[in-house]
Amino acid sequence: DTEVTQTPKHLVMGMTNKKSLKCEQHMGHRAMYWYKQKAKKPPELMFVYSYEKLSINESVPSRFSPECPNSSLLNLHLHALQPEDSALYLCASRGTLNSPLHFGNGTRLTVT
Amino acid sequence: QKEVEQNSGPLSVPEGAIASLNCTYSDRGSQSFFWYRQYSGKSPELIMSIYSNGDKEDGRFTAQLNKASQYVSLLIRDSQPSDSATYLCAVNSYQGGSEKLVFGKGTKLTVNP
Repeated sequence: DTEVTQTPKHLVMGMTNKKSLKCEQHMGHRAMYWYKQKAKKPPELMFVYSYEKLSINESVPSRFSPECPNSSLLNLHLHALQPEDSALYLCASRGTLNSPLHFGNGTRLTVT
Repeated sequence: QKEVEQNSGPLSVPEGAIASLNCTYSDRGSQSFFWYRQYSGKSPELIMSIYSNGDKEDGRFTAQLNKASQYVSLLIRDSQPSDSATYLCAVNSYQGGSEKLVFGKGTKLTVNP
């Protein structure tokens, strides 16, 4: 069982929809991450929050909007996505520098 | 751009054999090294962390680190069909004033019964 919980597990949305992905962890980790993973590729970093502040934005298009309401929660707001945005979206948390990432089970997103 | 390179695979071994997965990295300042296992359609699962030169064993898994050669490997002894997965090497790296984990492209392992 993972200690990072992501909802929903699957999401199908049209290009005009607005939806949100949610992530929650209760390990006391102060860094939280969003990754995007396409088939047969490694995870690709999108955003990093450290102590609830956005510390890394890997030049992600503005149709993806992250939010960190508190130290346990991380959201990813989606608007006007494209079919090529279909992927597995992974949330992860990390306790300290040099410690490993703990991944959630991911959200499988399909944009139609 | 700091890089992590892995054998592209696929790697196929018979059940009971030793599977050897290799990874090289370009950032000499890297201090932490991880192996993740990822089953198809699932999220990555941490199987080993290593921080010091030498070997670290956990059950059937042994991670080996050689910082001088910028090389980290994973050995899986007595390979089982359930070990069939993609193995991702991840290395920490400081880029542009930020620390992040850099992933290799992964090696797909198939263990044949």
